Amino acid sequence: SNELTQPPSVSVSPGQTARITCSGDPLAKQHGNWYQQKPGQAPVLVMYKDTKRPSGIPERFSGSSSGTIVTLTISGVQAEDEADYYCQSIHSRGAEFGGGTKLTVL
Amino acid sequence: EVQMLESGGGLVQPGGSLRLSCAASGFTFTSYAMTWVRQAPGKGLEWVSVISGSGGNTYYADSVKGRFTITRDNSKKAVFLQMNSLRAEDTAVYYCAKGGDDYSFPNWFDPWGQGTLVTVSS
Repeated sequence: SNELTQPPSVSVSPGQTARITCSGDPLAKQHGNWYQQKPGQAPVLVMYKDTKRPSGIPERFSGSSSGTIVTLTISGVQAEDEADYYCQSIHSRGAEFGGGTKLTVL
Repeated sequence: EVQMLESGGGLVQPGGSLRLSCAASGFTFTSYAMTWVRQAPGKGLEWVSVISGSGGNTYYADSVKGRFTITRDNSKKAVFLQMNSLRAEDTAVYYCAKGGDDYSFPNWFDPWGQGTLVTVSS
């Protein structure tokens, strides 16, 4: 299957660490990427090729990969990080997005 | 600054057609593939189509194959999505995005435009 699976929701208090996972067969051979989407806005790339952070993305965002799972970690979560997060990868038939994870900052 | 600006969305009846446009600026357009991604109201992101930098390679999601056609005009730095035989389930915000690397099919997409809303309803 080319599906990517994410938890629907993750909740953390400000200053804590949030970890969002994404699992799926495409990740065994291809990199995972992450996008942040706030209400009414377009998605923004926050991590690419598993662990690379685009310029302008805060250092508290980091990524890791193991087997068929990629993880986006946000250390010292801030209120402004509350958003939907989507993982994405590619496979032989195109691109695939995970279902999205709503990060709530309590 | 790299920018994408989509246009062409609107209300269309089931079975109708619509053509979306995306004007790009701020980068060497021919060096990058371009993609369309859509998001139905209250739902997640769904990849729709990719066109390579030269325009010679195109790729489609199964859900739109045979109904949608992606093209590009490199002289105008624009990419288009011709949508035919539209269905209610095609209702979504359609985003245009630049390929993140210089592969025919990019590994990631960055940046994205603000999107254009397509509503298919009678």
